This record gives sequence, structure tokens and C-alpha cells, in this order.
Amino acid sequence: LAKTTQPISMDSYEGQEVNITCSHNNIATNDYITWYQQFPSQGPRFIIQGYKTKVTNEVASLFIPADRKSSTLSLPRVSLSDTAVYYCLVGSQGKLIFGQGTELSVKP
Amino acid sequence: EPEVTQTPSHQVTQMGQEVILRCVPISNHLYFYWYRQILGQKVEFLVSFYNNEISEKSEIFDDQFSVERPDGSNFTLKIRSTKLEDSAMYFCASSEWAGENTEAFFGQGTRLTVV
Repeated sequence: LAKTTQPISMDSYEGQEVNITCSHNNIATNDYITWYQQFPSQGPRFIIQGYKTKVTNEVASLFIPADRKSSTLSLPRVSLSDTAVYYCLVGSQGKLIFGQGTELSVKP
Repeated sequence: EPEVTQTPSHQVTQMGQEVILRCVPISNHLYFYWYRQILGQKVEFLVSFYNNEISEKSEIFDDQFSVERPDGSNFTLKIRSTKLEDSAMYFCASSEWAGENTEAFFGQGTRLTVV
């Protein structure tokens, strides 16, 4: 499984766009990139998944450069309720291996 | 929206006792998982289950732990002779498949406190 590296924490203010970058230098050809969100005392929740270029859904966008060695989760216009831990996962093959994630704190 | 449900939400048990954590996965899902998260730490994989047998387990999942799908809807995690260090949030998850682009759905968790 490819190792991922992401910032431990980030601060933002309501209404701003937040970009969280994850590096995964050893990503394999077949690996997908998946992001999960976890609120305190809740289970992780799938946000978005992609293989290359750009993926967008109603919650976020995922940007993946051509070399796929990194990816950026973009949250548009965050609100206080987006305060959570965000995990980048690569190449899960069923079981999910979580890192420490990025603790995003959104302030008013 | 379909969801994974877990019971109980909170379980307090005395050290040495056995506990059973229960989960109802999403009905059309075929793969089931247990994870745990010790307070302040990362989510850790325990075990995956498919076709009525364990497909993979981590080092954490030793003889103290067992899983079972006793009927068509429930999926249970049994912890025998609980220890203080078993105190954690235990999450059940399920997915339709287990390929490269798996999307797993997690339950709300059971907070296990061993005293």
C-alpha cells in the first residue's frame, strides 16, 4: 500500500476555500485515491474518490496531477460544520489503512 | 439513504468480561469490516469478512477477538476477556465490493469502556 503524507492540521475561516494536499509518491498503477471525513465520535464518511485529473461532486473536488504522486482535496466555501479530520487513502483493496489525517478547524 | 447501524452506542464492561458488539451492514453489501479507534489515535483495521469467513485480519485481531454473521443481517464482533486497553470506539463498515475503488460505509460506532 502506498504511504500517504498530509498536513497534521489546518485552520480556515467560514466561507473560504480549503485545499488539503496529500502526497503519495509510491502510488501504484491500479491505485485509486480516496478521501474520508471524520467528525468527533463518529465513523469515517466517504467524501470523494478519483484516479486521475479532476473529480467533482456535491461536497468537494479532487485534483490529481498527471504523475498522480499527490492529490488535493478542495472544499469550497467551508462552514463551521466542516470542522473534522480528513483522511487521504491510496490503494485500499478492500480494507482501509488510515493515517493520522488532517485536522481541519473552521473558525467563524 | 441506507446506513450501517451499530448497537449498543456505548458499552461499559468490567475487565475480564466478554462483550459482543453488533452491526447491521447495508443489505446488499457483501464485504464487512471492523475497525477500532483508541481515543486520540488513528482508525485501525481489525478484520474483513466475506462469504462467511475472515478474508483478512490485522495483528491486533488475535485469539481474543472473533467475528460472526449469525444470520442474514447481523455481523458481530466478540471480545473475550476484555482488557483495559480494549477501550476504544469500534466501527463496523460494509462495502459492495473490495476492489481498487472500494467505498466503505461506516456505522456510528460503539464506544467500549473497560473498567
